[in-house]
Amino acid sequence: TQLLEQSPQFLSIQEGENLTVYCNSSSVFSSLQWYRQEPGEGPVLLVTVVTGGEVKKLKRLTFQFGDARKDSSLHITAAQPGDTGLYLCAGPTGGTSYGKLTFGQGTILTVHP
Amino acid sequence: KAGVTQTPRYLIKTRGQQVTLSCSPISGHRSVSWYQQTPGQGLQFLFEYFSETQRNKGNFPGRFSGRQFSNSRSEMNVSTLELGDSALYLCASSLGVGLAIYEQYFGPGTRLTVT
Repeated sequence: TQLLEQSPQFLSIQEGENLTVYCNSSSVFSSLQWYRQEPGEGPVLLVTVVTGGEVKKLKRLTFQFGDARKDSSLHITAAQPGDTGLYLCAGPTGGTSYGKLTFGQGTILTVHP
Repeated sequence: KAGVTQTPRYLIKTRGQQVTLSCSPISGHRSVSWYQQTPGQGLQFLFEYFSETQRNKGNFPGRFSGRQFSNSRSEMNVSTLELGDSALYLCASSLGVGLAIYEQYFGPGTRLTVT
């Protein structure tokens, strides 16, 4: 069974601080996705990382895929209250079917003004 | 391009009843996946449909079923509802083929409350 462990589970910081969320597994993933979810809404896809060692930047967000494709991280620079939400990592675990994603348990981020 | 739509957004049912939830994927997407989200278990995969065929199934009892129509719209049904079925049910669509097949786009979800 391919599991994804996210840490930390909760993060409460002040506006302007930096933070990093980790997503780890003992299994190799062909890709990992990061989503952000706000209360009462569905997750919104932020990025997909595919290549080991890959780094992708989305404005103040930096995503990294580990060289062995077993882990990923999300780094936010100068966090803003609008970054508040549930951050989820996910990876395909359906064999030849990519329609099955396994999710980490999520990181609840609160950014205080 | 319109996103994934789910109806209804909110539903209250009584234990023992059945419920049908609907999902319309993004135009051109052929894969529809369903997930259950609860505070305790997080997001869990229910099943995936591609071209009207169930392509993958999660570890849920047979009370949970689904189907996909020729226009890629999908429905999921839960029979004999239990209190523990209270959750946010999320539908996600993807192309289903090609390089970006693992990129799923979620709808807003249906909040089901079983009393």
